[in-house]
Amino acid sequence: DIVMTQSPDSLAVSLGERATINCKSSQSILFSSNNKHSLAWFQQKPGQPPKLLIYWASTRESGVPDRFSGSGSGTDFTLTISSLQAEDVAVYHCQQYYSIPFTFGPGTKVDVK
Amino acid sequence: EMQLVESGGGLEKPGGSLRLSCAASGFTFSNVWMTWVRQAPGKGLEWVGRIKRKIDGGTTDYAAPVKGRFTISRDDSKMTVYLEMNSLKDEDTAVYYCTTGFSAAFEIWGQGTMVTVSS
Repeated sequence: DIVMTQSPDSLAVSLGERATINCKSSQSILFSSNNKHSLAWFQQKPGQPPKLLIYWASTRESGVPDRFSGSGSGTDFTLTISSLQAEDVAVYHCQQYYSIPFTFGPGTKVDVK
Repeated sequence: EMQLVESGGGLEKPGGSLRLSCAASGFTFSNVWMTWVRQAPGKGLEWVGRIKRKIDGGTTDYAAPVKGRFTISRDDSKMTVYLEMNSLKDEDTAVYYCTTGFSAAFEIWGQGTMVTVSS
C-alpha cells in the first residue's frame, strides 16, 4: 500500500498570512497516461464531509477560492493557502488515487493564531 | 444539484450485521464508480472499497481490514449503492461516507452515516 504522510500535524497562522501543508507519498503516484500526479487535497470542517479542493496535485476544483493552490512532483506535494481566512480553519487531508487502496494522509489541522 | 444521501447506520453488537445505503441524485449514476470511505471518531479518513460501473464490469475492490466481511453492490435503477457489513468489529465504528467523482478524484460526498459497534 502507498503510505501518505503529512506535516505538520497542526499549524496556527495569522489571518492574511500564508499556510503551507506538506504531503509525501511512499512511492511515485505519477499517472503515465496524462503525466500528472494522482494526488488530491480535501478540506474538512467539524461535522462535515470532506470537500475536494485540488486534484491532479495542482488543479483547483470548480468554486474553490484561488488562495488555495497545490504543487509538487515526485513524492512531495504541498497545499498552500496564500492568505488565510477565518473560514479556512479546518483539517486538510491529502489522498493518492493512483493505486488501490486509495490512501489518505493523517490530516493537518489549521487554526488561526 | 448533485447529491448523495447515506442511511442505515446505527448501533450494532460485535459480530452483527448492518446494511448501509447511499442514494444518488442529480447526475447519471450508472456512469460513475462509487466508493465508501469511513472515519473513526477523531481519526483520519480510510478508504473502504469501491464498485465500478457496469460497463467496466461492475467489479469491486476492498481495503484489507474489511475484505471478506464487507460487500459493496449497486442498483442503477434505484441510483443506490449499498455497503453490506458483516462480522462487525469494534474497530468498524466510524462515520461512513459514500463518494464519487467524474475526474478520478472524489468530488461529491454524502453527509455520512454513523455506525457504532459496541456490546
